Amino acid sequence: QQQVKQSPQSLIVQKGGISIINCAYENTAFDYFPWYQQFPGKGPALLIAIRPDVSEKKEGRFTISFNKSAKQFSLHIMDSQPGDSATYFCAADKETSGSRLTFGEGTQLTVNP
Amino acid sequence: DVKVTQSSRYLVKRTGEKVFLECVQDMDHENMFWYRQDPGLGLRLIYFSYDVKMKEKGDIPEGYSVSREKKERFSLILESASTNQTSMYLCATMWDRAGELFFGEGSRLTVL
Repeated sequence: QQQVKQSPQSLIVQKGGISIINCAYENTAFDYFPWYQQFPGKGPALLIAIRPDVSEKKEGRFTISFNKSAKQFSLHIMDSQPGDSATYFCAADKETSGSRLTFGEGTQLTVNP
Repeated sequence: DVKVTQSSRYLVKRTGEKVFLECVQDMDHENMFWYRQDPGLGLRLIYFSYDVKMKEKGDIPEGYSVSREKKERFSLILESASTNQTSMYLCATMWDRAGELFFGEGSRLTVL
């Protein structure tokens, strides 16, 4: 049972464009929503995270938008660069659960020069 | 920087063999995790540990066991490897029970 659904599975964007990856969750008890970035041959690394008390969080070119009522959150990468080409995973957690992060299926992003 | 080291990057094993995947961390983190990564399925939690000699089942523990004899070391054991355990295995640590996961570079296991 996949409690966090991520789309699209793959995404190709031109350099300078906006990359958008969407996630939807089912468990309303989730209260922590991180995004992880994974380059080939490496383990995932935390990119940005949000908690549901805010609707948006921005760090540089990366923005998380959060819609609590729709149980959806998304990652926007502005001015996408070839160096952003990686696999992105959304995740969700109930912080009192003891770190049982539930990951989405992953999105393979390719940014063409 | 946190360093999570998985000793074997690539392994090829035969069906029925016993397989040990080792993970060592150098940052004194209490919490350690084993995930498997498969295309289209994301990362799925196999086992985790909050302390030495303790372990808890994750979402897909069947066919696996773990050992944590020392705080810095967390081992994943496949008692009798099967072809459906061919996958990328990722070890991770966390300082507290809620926060950032630090991953190793992964161990790609092929079971023939």
